[in-house]
Amino acid sequence: KAGVTQTPRYLIKTRGQQVTLSCSPISGHRSVSWYQQTPGQGLQFLFEYFSETQRNKGNFPGRFSGRQFSNSRSEMNVSTLELGDSALYLCASQRSYNSPLHFGNGTRLTVT
Amino acid sequence: DQQVKQNSPSLSVQEGRISILNCDYTNSMFDYFLWYKKYPAEGPTFLISISSIKDKNEDGRFTVFLNKSAKHLSLHIVPSQPGDSAVYFCAASGSYSGAGSYQLTFGKGTKLSVIP
Repeated sequence: KAGVTQTPRYLIKTRGQQVTLSCSPISGHRSVSWYQQTPGQGLQFLFEYFSETQRNKGNFPGRFSGRQFSNSRSEMNVSTLELGDSALYLCASQRSYNSPLHFGNGTRLTVT
Repeated sequence: DQQVKQNSPSLSVQEGRISILNCDYTNSMFDYFLWYKKYPAEGPTFLISISSIKDKNEDGRFTVFLNKSAKHLSLHIVPSQPGDSAVYFCAASGSYSGAGSYQLTFGKGTKLSVIP
């Protein structure tokens, strides 16, 4: 069974630009979550989607947004990039409530 | 306010000995706890979990203990192997988010080094 796939693996963007990251969950998993990992803050929850609906959102500014498609694939978008947005962005999918999250290998975003 | 804390940033253990990684939490609404292992340039990999209705869960060399009164959990690895060298994250969730949604609150991780 294929794992969670995230593309691209690496991205370099300039301040003020926007970026879109993509995530394909494990087949049959309908819940997709996004997390940001930075050295200072650790892993922080961004948002969770289920059946194309955002069910929960973490404490991030509105520049961070996401969506989920009917095939459960998800994208997240960050607009007006800031230097502090440099991080590893991790996508995770879940089979059912309170089953473990399975993470992809992440997209490393560098903002210069 | 950090709701899940891993107070030891790093831990070194000899191969074959026991590794004990600790985690404390403050939110009494947490009812499900997980440990993840992370190698560089990879995403976290699920290791083991425990529900708040239990105080111990075992899976091979890995055992998680939960002390609800102390709001403390620990991961024991016996025997430790060099391949266990990684960053270990403690995570917690609770049915407080509403609408059936699910989010994990992570500790900042403990880097385990198993010395051959």
